[in-house]
Amino acid sequence: AQTVTQSQPEMSVQEAETVTLSCTYDTSESDYYLFWYKQPPSRQMILVIRQEAYKQQNATENRFSVNFQKAAKSFSLKISDSQLGDAAMYFCAYRSFYNNNDMRFGAGTRLTVKP
Amino acid sequence: EAGVTQSPTHLIKTRGQQVTLRCSPISGHTSVYWYQQALGLGLQFLLWYDEGEERNRGNFPPRFSGRQFPNYSSELNVNALELEDSALYLCASSLTLGQYSNQPQHFGDGTRLSIL
Repeated sequence: AQTVTQSQPEMSVQEAETVTLSCTYDTSESDYYLFWYKQPPSRQMILVIRQEAYKQQNATENRFSVNFQKAAKSFSLKISDSQLGDAAMYFCAYRSFYNNNDMRFGAGTRLTVKP
Repeated sequence: EAGVTQSPTHLIKTRGQQVTLRCSPISGHTSVYWYQQALGLGLQFLLWYDEGEERNRGNFPPRFSGRQFPNYSSELNVNALELEDSALYLCASSLTLGQYSNQPQHFGDGTRLSIL
């Protein structure tokens, strides 16, 4: 079974600086999707960025980018120029390519942004 | 476009009671998912409904059940509530565009269930 591990329960970053959140996963599949979701205090889960495993190029969405290392089964999220509104729980998620409705989430990383 | 809506936002129940949570997916989405997020934990998959049928369920006892209606809205029912059922219950919806879709799940704000 696929598992997702986020080894950092909490992280802190100074406003305008860069922070990297770690995620590793375990799978025997060669094709899959990876996601980062953000859950602010308002509770709603918001998709931040997604990566298809068959793509070698790392996904980028404005200030958010990933470092996808397929061989190492690592999928870290880098937030550049951190803003106060980035403070939230961040969840890494894995979804099977062959069963696109089987989605596994990590335990989350709580990010605090200091002014 | 309206997002995924859930009701109620907060519920307080006592042990042994039963509860029904409701979810309306984004218009056009046929798949609905239910997750349990206990305090300090990640999301645990509960149930997946698509086209009115239960397609998959997570590792939860049978007292967790649900259904999907013809308009694709869904209910999650929990019987014989226990203290450990206290959690945020999140509903998500997505398009089901075939097997190899990269469509993400879109989440509602959740229902906070507290068991006293």
